[in-house]
Amino acid sequence: AQKVTQAQTEISVVEKEDVTLDCVYETRDTTYYLFWYKQPPSGELVFLIRRNSFDEQNEISGRYSWNFQKSTSSFNFTITASQVVDSAVYFCALRDHYGQNFVFGPGTRLSVLP
Amino acid sequence: DAGVTQSPTHLIKTRGQQVTLRCSPKSGHDTVSWYQQALGQGPQFIFQYYEEEERQRGNFPDRFSGHQFPNYSSELNVNALLLGDSALYLCASSSGTGGSRQPQHFGDGTRLSIL
Repeated sequence: AQKVTQAQTEISVVEKEDVTLDCVYETRDTTYYLFWYKQPPSGELVFLIRRNSFDEQNEISGRYSWNFQKSTSSFNFTITASQVVDSAVYFCALRDHYGQNFVFGPGTRLSVLP
Repeated sequence: DAGVTQSPTHLIKTRGQQVTLRCSPKSGHDTVSWYQQALGQGPQFIFQYYEEEERQRGNFPDRFSGHQFPNYSSELNVNALLLGDSALYLCASSSGTGGSRQPQHFGDGTRLSIL
């Protein structure tokens, strides 16, 4: 069975601090896809990144970076120089090769204080 | 280019009633998935529609049913509503081709409250 764990329920940081959100996943599939979504108070899930299981290169996009470690089944997300607008709930999700559905983690609520 | 649109935004029902939620996928998308997100939890997969058929279903009772129309829009129906059905219902669309490589685009959701 597939499972996604986000051990951090809530994180609070002060603006301009760096913050890392942890994600650990379980799957028996050899081919799978990992995602991060941001959910602001408005409720919409905003796609941030997709990573397939064969691509372990870390990725940086502006202030966002992702560290995929297949050996530890982790896909962590770091926000550098956090801003108040980064405050949201962040979900890590796993999707199998055949793309039928997502398994979401429980989410991490990030509060960035001014 | 309109993204995924859902209606209504909010809905209040009482126990035992029936409800229909609607979703229009992003332009160019032909696959629609529905998720239930209870307060403080991650979204849970309900089912997915492609080519007007239910392709896969999550762990939800038969009270939850759906439909997809020829224009790819979709409805989620819930019968005999329970208090526990109170949640944000999210619709996501994707392209059937490319399967899991295509990230799903989510709508803003319908917040359903059961009194």
